Amino acid sequence: GAVVSQHPSWVICKSGTSVKIECRSLDFQATTMFWYRQFPKQSLMLMATSNEGSKATYEQGVEKDKFLINHASLTLSTLTVTSAHPEDSSFYICSAGRLEETQYFGPGTRLLVL
Amino acid sequence: AQRVTQPEKLLSVFKGAPVELKCNYSYSGSPELFWYVQYSRQRLQLLLRHISRESIKGFTADLNKGETSFHLKKPFAQEEDSAMYYCALTRRPGRRALTFGSGTRLQVQP
Repeated sequence: GAVVSQHPSWVICKSGTSVKIECRSLDFQATTMFWYRQFPKQSLMLMATSNEGSKATYEQGVEKDKFLINHASLTLSTLTVTSAHPEDSSFYICSAGRLEETQYFGPGTRLLVL
Repeated sequence: AQRVTQPEKLLSVFKGAPVELKCNYSYSGSPELFWYVQYSRQRLQLLLRHISRESIKGFTADLNKGETSFHLKKPFAQEEDSAMYYCALTRRPGRRALTFGSGTRLQVQP
């Protein structure tokens, strides 16, 4: 099956710094990728839809200036958490898929903001 | 707006016992329903989808539009089935972003 990778797998940063998370589709091209956020013992919540070559579509309540998404190529989407604060600490997961097929999930990135 | 409800946070059964993980949804259109599974320290992976009408690892799920349910069933649980199970839906046709339920942890005891 298709493989989606994320980097880094975990990151610890100081409050006020920015953190970039990469999501790559390793063996297929993805015109659309999705970014989810998962709090401890909670479900995955869709944050935004990343569209190759155009602006991301954000879900209601997600600050687009806080969570910058760039989908510069068909195999790479990046999520940048700008001026991170402790409340941004979470597990961030991306997914990608070919056209109308099943979504494949990355392993997730655990962010801890001190 | 669409919503997925999994009423049980934890389901504990003994090996060989039947399993039913409940999932109800609300959506005014015609959604596509999925079950995803997450084994310990592994990524989320698709278990099955309603349009496939297939059985994976002995699990089946039938979409009941009247009851708006998509319960996951297995007649005889195995220890290796222990995992976190998420029910999810996506609007069809078109948008493939998933709306997830809160998940049910299945523990199969020896």
